[in-house]
Amino acid sequence: DAGVTQSPTHLIKTRGQHVTLRCSPISGHKSVSWYQQVLGQGPQFIFQYYEKEERGRGNFPDRFSARQFPNYSSELNVNALLLGDSALYLCASSLTRQGGEKLFFGSGTQLSVL
Amino acid sequence: GEDVEQSLFLSVREGDSSVINCTYTDSSSTYLYWYKQEPGAGLQLLTYIFSNMDMKQDQRLTVLLNKKDKHLSLRIADTQTGDSAIYFCAESMEYGNKLVFGAGTILRVKS
Repeated sequence: DAGVTQSPTHLIKTRGQHVTLRCSPISGHKSVSWYQQVLGQGPQFIFQYYEKEERGRGNFPDRFSARQFPNYSSELNVNALLLGDSALYLCASSLTRQGGEKLFFGSGTQLSVL
Repeated sequence: GEDVEQSLFLSVREGDSSVINCTYTDSSSTYLYWYKQEPGAGLQLLTYIFSNMDMKQDQRLTVLLNKKDKHLSLRIADTQTGDSAIYFCAESMEYGNKLVFGAGTILRVKS
């Protein structure tokens, strides 16, 4: 079975633009979470979606939004990009939304904002 | 509030044991995790421990939890060059997939 897949792997944008990142969870997993990892830091929680509804949100501005589709894949959208949005964006999936479950991460999308 | 702290760097010789330490602040943390990240890759779950456990062993990995001191450690026995990576400690509550990560410990294994 394929793991968590993310696309694209790398992306370069300029300030003010918007970006859409995509994630396909492991087959059978219904929960998708998004994390931002700035260079030299640990990942920070952005969103969790389960059964197409937002179930948790981290301390990120409204420029960040996401959605989950009926096939459980997910998109993360970031509007009005800032230089500080440059980071590795990680998607993680799990079977349900319960804590303590194994959370499987994709390889991430490296976003560079110039 | 939630905060996880780790030492930044650890260097060991191949074949020695490595011990990576982590402290957390939220006493209501239910699960504590260790993840490994290699260059250019995502996070690989190594092991996790429920907060009512003191120890968990899985092959070369031993996790020790001191809930009173809010201290978590990961011991890697017989460390190999392939163990060189960044190791993240993380905590979570009972519900939801919100993990709070430390900044990571760089493990360098010298041959």
